[in-house]
Amino acid sequence: EAGVVQSPRYKIIEKKQPVAFWCNPISGHNTLYWYLQNLGQGPELLIRYENEEAVDDSQLPKDRFSAERLKGVDSTLKIQPAELGDSAVYLCASSLGVVDTGELFFGEGSRLTVL
Amino acid sequence: TQLLEQSPQFLSIQEGENLTVYCNSSSVFSSLQWYRQEPGEGPVLLVTVVTGGEVKKLKRLTFQFGDARKDSSLHITAAQPGDTGLYLCAGPFSGGYNKLIFGAGTRLAVHP
Repeated sequence: EAGVVQSPRYKIIEKKQPVAFWCNPISGHNTLYWYLQNLGQGPELLIRYENEEAVDDSQLPKDRFSAERLKGVDSTLKIQPAELGDSAVYLCASSLGVVDTGELFFGEGSRLTVL
Repeated sequence: TQLLEQSPQFLSIQEGENLTVYCNSSSVFSSLQWYRQEPGEGPVLLVTVVTGGEVKKLKRLTFQFGDARKDSSLHITAAQPGDTGLYLCAGPFSGGYNKLIFGAGTRLAVHP
């Protein structure tokens, strides 16, 4: 069974440019997460989807970040315009049930460098 | 605010040594999870502990959940180079939203 697939793996852009990341979760997983991981830090949640509904986007900087999960499967995370401080790894994860005892399955991440 | 503090931040040891890393909080967690993340990869779940005082073993790795469910430890016996990676603890956010919060991690390097 395929795992969580993310693309692109690496992206280098200049500040003020737009960028988009794509995620395909594990088939059947209704919950999808976007996490931000800065160098040397643990992942921080940006947004969580239950099917196509964004149920927790409290940590998403909405002035420049947006996300969508059309049809409750694939998801796209967009940054426009990108700033130097957005350089980080953007991780997508999916899960079947509640996180108390369930497992999050992560993709390999998309590493963004903003110059 | 729920925080998970991990220590040490960095650990560099020789193959065959034993080590323990810690995950502490002032908050009670219903469960804690440990993930390992290798360079260029996403975190992978190692174990979930759910009962205060619980001890789980995974080959050379021993995980313990504190009696008060505020802390956890990971002990590795006879570390191998393949154990190298970032070890993250994570727990469910008590405010709901079905989300995990992560510690900053312990970066382990095991040298041959």
